[in-house]
Amino acid sequence: EPEVTQTPSHQVTQMGQEVILRCVPISNHLYFYWYRQILGQKVEFLVSFYNNEISEKSEIFDDQFSVERPDGSNFTLKIRSTKLEDSAMYFCASSEWRNSPLHFGNGTRLTVT
Amino acid sequence: AQSVTQLDSQVPVFEEAPVELRCNYSSSVSVYLFWYVQYPNQGLQLLLKYLSGSTLVKGINGFEAEFNKSQTSFHLRKPSVHISDTAEYFCAVTLSSNDYKLSFGAGTTVTVRA
Repeated sequence: EPEVTQTPSHQVTQMGQEVILRCVPISNHLYFYWYRQILGQKVEFLVSFYNNEISEKSEIFDDQFSVERPDGSNFTLKIRSTKLEDSAMYFCASSEWRNSPLHFGNGTRLTVT
Repeated sequence: AQSVTQLDSQVPVFEEAPVELRCNYSSSVSVYLFWYVQYPNQGLQLLLKYLSGSTLVKGINGFEAEFNKSQTSFHLRKPSVHISDTAEYFCAVTLSSNDYKLSFGAGTTVTVRA
């Protein structure tokens, strides 16, 4: 069964550094998402992306965050200048259509020191 | 805005015993409801979903859930658990008119013992 893949599985970075989290969604899917889960807290929606543009974003997704689909297969989340509070598990997801279920990747654990 | 409450953070259960995980939601409009499972060191896997139709929904691995609109609940059940069901379970909701911006509950950790 096709799956969403995320790399790396764990990333450690220093405060103020830029990080790029990478995702390869399922190939025939059209909608892409990033969610995050801070340790001990709920999984939170960050952003949804369709047709090469952001369709919705949460209040968490401020100017420090950006998403991009640089080619036909990758979907990236960039954090421009990381803060300690950005430490979390980041999940990428994709769906085939607007109202079809999300398929999640295994996540990238980001640790900001 | 919609929200989800999972009433139990930890549920220990013996192998072959039944388990029920409770989920309540709040929303002023119709919703879609989901249960996801996260096994250790893995991503979120869809167990089952309610979009419309029959209120009793069957999912993978022998799980089922019942949508109760009057009680705004979507409890997950399995009649007989296995050791391999040890995982964290998340209830999630989205507005049926939305493009799947999921709101998740805090999760319930199920630990199955022999």
